[in-house]
Amino acid sequence: NAGVTQTPKFQVLKTGQSMTLQCAQDMNHEYMSWYRQDPGMGLRLIHYSVGAGITDQGEVPNGYNVSRSTTEDFPLRLLSAAPSQTSVYFCASSYSGGGDTEAFFGQGTRLTVV
Amino acid sequence: GENVEQHPSTLSVQEGDSAVIKCTYSDSASNYFPWYKQELGKRPQLIIDIRSNVGEKKDQRIAVTLNKTAKHFSLHITETQPEDSAVYFCAASMSNFGNEKLTFGTGTRLTIIP
Repeated sequence: NAGVTQTPKFQVLKTGQSMTLQCAQDMNHEYMSWYRQDPGMGLRLIHYSVGAGITDQGEVPNGYNVSRSTTEDFPLRLLSAAPSQTSVYFCASSYSGGGDTEAFFGQGTRLTVV
Repeated sequence: GENVEQHPSTLSVQEGDSAVIKCTYSDSASNYFPWYKQELGKRPQLIIDIRSNVGEKKDQRIAVTLNKTAKHFSLHITETQPEDSAVYFCAASMSNFGNEKLTFGTGTRLTIIP
């Protein structure tokens, strides 16, 4: 099992560029989420999904889009990158069947917008 | 929405001593409280969690306590070791099935002094 895999690990963008952060999980988890981590602010929820075709906004959704066409993949799109989006991004997935509902995190993508 | 406050932001303890990190939450509907450990440059990893129908849970040197009335929960690490040095995050969610919407505290940097 690879768990939750994020690509790329590092990325530098120029202001105004767009890009997609990839997230894939092989645990057949229904629930997936995107968080950003900034110094001193913990992790904040950007968008989440409770299944294929279902997404919703989290605490800080502005400037990001998501889609969930398959159970395995949950890409995060930056439409027009801004320096304020410089951060470390984590994707997470969790089982939706009750019981053990631990959220597993990917290894993160460090994004710098210049 | 939910708000989680975490204290202290930094904590230094002598090796072998105990460490305590405290969190408070605002939404009485929250029913799941995980603690994550994050080493430098790595992903957050679950170390222990507790549900609202339990007051205390222990796993070897780590324990978590929950006071639903006061809406606070704490992480206790006994007999600290150098490998316990990391950033610890508490979180809260209203989890009936999965954990797609975790609200995190701002983190505690724990340093174990040899």
